[in-house]
Amino acid sequence: QVQLVQSGAEVKKPGASVKVSCKASGYTFTSYGISWVRQAPGQGLEWMGWISAYNGNTNYAQKLQGRVTMTTDTSTSTAYMELRSLRSDDTAVYYCARDKRERYSPDTFDYWGQGTLVTVSS
Amino acid sequence: DIQMTQSPSSLSASVGDRVTITCQASQDISNYLNWYQQKPGKAPKLLIYDASNLETGVPSRFSGSGSGTDFTFTISSLQPEDIATYYCQQYDNLPTFGQGTKLEIK
Repeated sequence: QVQLVQSGAEVKKPGASVKVSCKASGYTFTSYGISWVRQAPGQGLEWMGWISAYNGNTNYAQKLQGRVTMTTDTSTSTAYMELRSLRSDDTAVYYCARDKRERYSPDTFDYWGQGTLVTVSS
Repeated sequence: DIQMTQSPSSLSASVGDRVTITCQASQDISNYLNWYQQKPGKAPKLLIYDASNLETGVPSRFSGSGSGTDFTFTISSLQPEDIATYYCQQYDNLPTFGQGTKLEIK
């Protein structure tokens, strides 16, 4: 069965960086893209960006351009999301989510990780 | 960015009621519209994709319709386990979500 297992909770100081991992299993990793979606406490869902696990192509939300980098390690079927220059409003639960279809851009998210809480506080 | 306006933001209904949520896109997105359910402390769950297709394993009381800019999500007979927040999401361009509809039991 398809599973996405994320790394554990993080506490970071403002200005620091965080790198969250998402280990996939139960399917051919390189056949589907991975998106990252975050949710601030009590707020809605915000799409952050997408990476093709096939060729590493990325699309990032404009507001995060320059602060976020998404990568994959196909040898371990793991996707990574790094966010730099953290601010207090980056405090959120971060989810990875798999594309439902083999496409060249993000579309529909059929499997999700369990979420990783990142807290940014001095 | 394509803006998704979802309404209402909250809704209270009784078990057995028919519940409808709407989502309006800021531009034509064809049928590139999905609906998700999120329960507290859990990851979202895909219910409807491509505006009207029921995801495998999702009960048939859930349905979706619409195309272009106006979309509707319906629960035909509300069950206690349907208490959650529901989100629409477009993928015509880079994905964006509606602000969510919190559904409560009356």
